[in-house]
Amino acid sequence: AQTVTQSQPEMSVQEAETVTLSCTYDTSESDYYLFWYKQPPSRQMILVIRQEAYKQQNATENRFSVNFQKAAKSFSLKISDSQLGDAAMYFCAYRRQGAQKLVFGQGTRLTINP
Amino acid sequence: KAGVTQTPRYLIKTRGQQVTLSCSPISGHRSVSWYQQTPGQGLQFLFEYFSETQRNKGNFPGRFSGRQFSNSRSEMNVSTLELGDSALYLCASSLEAGRGGLAIPFFGPGTRLTVL
Repeated sequence: AQTVTQSQPEMSVQEAETVTLSCTYDTSESDYYLFWYKQPPSRQMILVIRQEAYKQQNATENRFSVNFQKAAKSFSLKISDSQLGDAAMYFCAYRRQGAQKLVFGQGTRLTINP
Repeated sequence: KAGVTQTPRYLIKTRGQQVTLSCSPISGHRSVSWYQQTPGQGLQFLFEYFSETQRNKGNFPGRFSGRQFSNSRSEMNVSTLELGDSALYLCASSLEAGRGGLAIPFFGPGTRLTVL
């Protein structure tokens, strides 16, 4: 069974600084997708960024970028120029090719200090 | 385009009762999946539907069931409620069931169920 591990239950960063959230996963599949979702206090799960495993290039969405290391099964999220609105729970998720089911990590609570 | 909607947003029930939660996917999305979120267990997959067929089911007791209608709206039902069923229930929809290509799951706001 696939598993996703987020080893940092909590992280904090100063506003405008850069922070990196870690995620590792375990799978025997070669085709899969990885996601980072953000869940603010409203509890709405919002997609931040996604990565297709077959793509070597790391995904980037404005201030958010990932470091995808397929061999190491690592998928970290870098947030640049942190803003107060980035404060939330961040979940790393895995989905294998051909399935809809997401496997989530336990989450990292990110605090932004003004 | 309207997002995923879930009703009701909040629900309070007592042990032994049953409950039905509803999810309306984004227009054009035919795939719907459900998740249970609790502080202790995190986010756990319940089931997945595509074109009215259950394609996958998580490791939950038979008290948890679901269905999908021809308009892609989905319902989940929990019978004989237990205190441990208190959770946030999230629904996600996507364009297809993930066969080929990237089908991004978009989530609804969730239904907060409290069992007393």
